[in-house]
Amino acid sequence: DAKTTQPPSMDCAEGRAANLPCNHSTISGNEYVYWYRQIHSQGPQYIIHGLKNNETNEMASLIITEDRKSSTLILPHATLRDTAVYYCIVSGSYSGGGADGLTFGKGTHLIIQP
Amino acid sequence: SQTIHQWPATLVQPVGSPLSLECTVEGTSNPNLYWYRQAAGRGLQLLFYSVGIGQISSEVPQNLSASRPQDRQFILSSKKLLLSDSGFYLCAWSVGVGYTFGSGTRLTVV
Repeated sequence: DAKTTQPPSMDCAEGRAANLPCNHSTISGNEYVYWYRQIHSQGPQYIIHGLKNNETNEMASLIITEDRKSSTLILPHATLRDTAVYYCIVSGSYSGGGADGLTFGKGTHLIIQP
Repeated sequence: SQTIHQWPATLVQPVGSPLSLECTVEGTSNPNLYWYRQAAGRGLQLLFYSVGIGQISSEVPQNLSASRPQDRQFILSSKKLLLSDSGFYLCAWSVGVGYTFGSGTRLTVV
């Protein structure tokens, strides 16, 4: 069972920052927060992960609240190609799911509007 | 570089026919390997995972089986397909941070 809650869909204007929320109120101290996205008819793509500190890479930023019960994925300048389903996943393994795989919820369908 | 190959990209099979989907990875050794399925309009469901040659764990009882005859080869099979086996099948591997997914096979059982 997924341990996260995400809105089913969101819209964002092209060029603006897209902020995708995720609640994970039952997260435990050794669990990481991972974000993946799935563009239609493709396999999921790893975006970013974090434990306690905020993280940034070339794709996105991850903001984790101090109590770690929620996080926000930020796409700083959304483009039409960022339209996808975004999955927030918590996992106790540094690899993102350990040997026994990732558990995907339903994610947020982000639609970038031109 | 590390890559994952999955084929075929699309497949249409009649009910009751057998199935064999193959996944191979390159550029890594001893990866954890996974098979996922995504039914139309639904989320990703983990079917099988493997931590080594000949080691298969099943997450969901079903009409499918998996095998890992070589370190970097993972095969999904069925002896007799059902209509409910239709879906988008994804292979994935993990070594270190994050998972890498293949491009998927879209299976339609008719």
